[in-house]
Amino acid sequence: DTAVSQTPKYLVTQMGNDKSIKCEQNLGHDTMYWYKQDSKKFLKIMFSYNNKELIINETVPNRFSPKSPDKAHLNLHINSLELGDSAVYFCASSGWREGHSDTQYFGPGTRLTVL
Amino acid sequence: GENVEQHPSTLSVQEGDSAVIKCTYSDSASNYFPWYKQELGKGPQLIIDIRSNVGEKKDQRIAVTLNKTAKHFSLHITETQPEDSAVYFCAAGWGNYQLIWGAGTKLIIKP
Repeated sequence: DTAVSQTPKYLVTQMGNDKSIKCEQNLGHDTMYWYKQDSKKFLKIMFSYNNKELIINETVPNRFSPKSPDKAHLNLHINSLELGDSAVYFCASSGWREGHSDTQYFGPGTRLTVL
Repeated sequence: GENVEQHPSTLSVQEGDSAVIKCTYSDSASNYFPWYKQELGKGPQLIIDIRSNVGEKKDQRIAVTLNKTAKHFSLHITETQPEDSAVYFCAAGWGNYQLIWGAGTKLIIKP
């Protein structure tokens, strides 16, 4: 009964390809996120959706497109992959409690390697 | 914009000793300060958090202190154990979904 799950766990692909990462949460949360973690472990927010609506959209190349078909899913599609896209991508979700955003729960991560 | 600085980037302590990681934030409107632990190959997990109406919070060997005037907060781990080895992140937020993250501290517990 994994709370936040991501697939695939590892993704190795060639430059120029298009790939998708899927995320699902079974916590009943309204908000989901995508983070990128580089080799220096820095966590960078990319996108956030609340009730299927985009609420955070940081400076990310438009090759990255999130899609939220419903509150429990937030997928990340990446076009024309570049070497610099190699990183670990984390999905997270959070609820709302007592008037403020609650704890963010992270998935296990997807390690993307672009060759 | 909001900025969170975290120090040190690496901390090595003897097993059984205490470890302290410090963070400072720039936006005085921040009111939520979580700490996350990331073990190798896993996603970050919340270990403790504090809100701005509280100065200190403790959970067994872990404690967090907050100084709103100085805009800094710290994580204290006492009686460190090998399983405490991980990367620790602080963050600051306003309770509106977005967190501003520190750069992380790699904690090494020496046997």
